[in-house]
Formats: sequence, C-alpha cells, structure tokens
Amino acid sequence: GQQLNQSPQSMFIQEGEDVSMNCTSSSIFNTWLWYKQDPGEGPVLLIALYKAGELTSNGRLTAQFGITRKDSFLNISASIPSDVGIYFCAGLLLAGSYQLTFGKGTKLSVIP
Amino acid sequence: DAGVIQSPRHEVTEMGQEVTLRCKPISGHDYLFWYRQTMMRGLELLIYFNNNVPIDDSGMPEDRFSAKMPNASFSTLKIQPSEPRDSAVYFCASGETYNEQFFGPGTRLTVL
Repeated sequence: GQQLNQSPQSMFIQEGEDVSMNCTSSSIFNTWLWYKQDPGEGPVLLIALYKAGELTSNGRLTAQFGITRKDSFLNISASIPSDVGIYFCAGLLLAGSYQLTFGKGTKLSVIP
Repeated sequence: DAGVIQSPRHEVTEMGQEVTLRCKPISGHDYLFWYRQTMMRGLELLIYFNNNVPIDDSGMPEDRFSAKMPNASFSTLKIQPSEPRDSAVYFCASGETYNEQFFGPGTRLTVL
C-alpha cells in the first residue's frame, strides 16, 4: 500500500512563531487531508485539498496540494497554546475503491 | 448535533474474551468507518460502510475481527477472541462523503 512520510515527528516552538510540516509519498493522491488530534479525542478535519497546486486557508492554517500530487504541507501562523496537539496528513486515492492512508503525525508543543 | 457517539469509552478485558465496540454515526451520513490507532502503526482504516453495506474490509487484521451495520444509526466492531496485541484506541467516523470524515472520541481497549 501507499506510504506517507510526515515530518517532523515532533516540534517545540515559542508562542507566536510560525510552524510548517509536510508529507511526502512515492505515490500520487487525488486528495490530501489535514487533521488535528487533541489528547483523548478523535482527529478533527482541518483542511481538505482536491486539486494539484491548490492552496487553501482556514484561519491561521494554510495547506497546499503539491504540483506532483505526491506531497502536501501545512503551515500554522502565529501559533497559540491551543495549537498543541498531533497533526496528521492523509492521502486519498480513488482506485476502484477509496484508499486512505494516514501519516504518522507531527506532535506540536507550544511554549507560552 | 451530538457528533459521532462511541461506547464504551474505555474497555479492559482479559485475553480470550469477546469485545464489542459500538458506534452511532451522525444522522444523515452515508459513510461509516472503523479505525485503529496505535503508537507503532498509527491510524489504520479497518473497514468502511456505504449505506450500511461493507465496501472495503481489507484493513481488518484477521478473522477474529468482524463489523456490522444493521441500520443507518448503529454499527458494531467485534473482536472474538481478543488478544493483548489488539490493545489500541478504536475510532468510528462518519461522513456525507468519503473525503470529509467526522471522528468519534474513540474507545480505548486494553486486553490483559
């Protein structure tokens, strides 16, 4: 099956700093999704990307679908303490049936 | 809207026992998904349903796992017999489309 490489695995940043994380794959995807998971909760969808090159924002979050369809990044601007959590990318491929693959996550810690 | 409801939130059982996890999807959502999350393997899709019909169960680890969706408002994931390596957090998710999935809070399963 498809493999997603998500980096970094973890990051510690100061409140107010910008954050960038990305996912790469050897396979192409039709859709890229970014989720955030808080401790003890299920993942929550942040942004969905449907076209190569698409750049989409959701408040302080911006994500892009790579031109090659094999990568995506997520940026968070002016981080705040409630940004703490684990961020997951997921690639969706429609090949007969839907195939959704998740990255291993980026654990974000924000130092006030 | 109540969101996806899962029960129980925590389950501790002994090896060999039958475990049943329950899920109530968001009303009107045609898709229902069961996931398993572990530190080692991350988030894995086990099975998904469309309009109560199982579409892809290729992620179900082995015959000890089974899932049913008798109606649009209820689904179960059963493990029989359970083994310690089944210990994980199991998530149910639902969506109007395959792309945009809303996750429940999860069931933390511990098999001793």
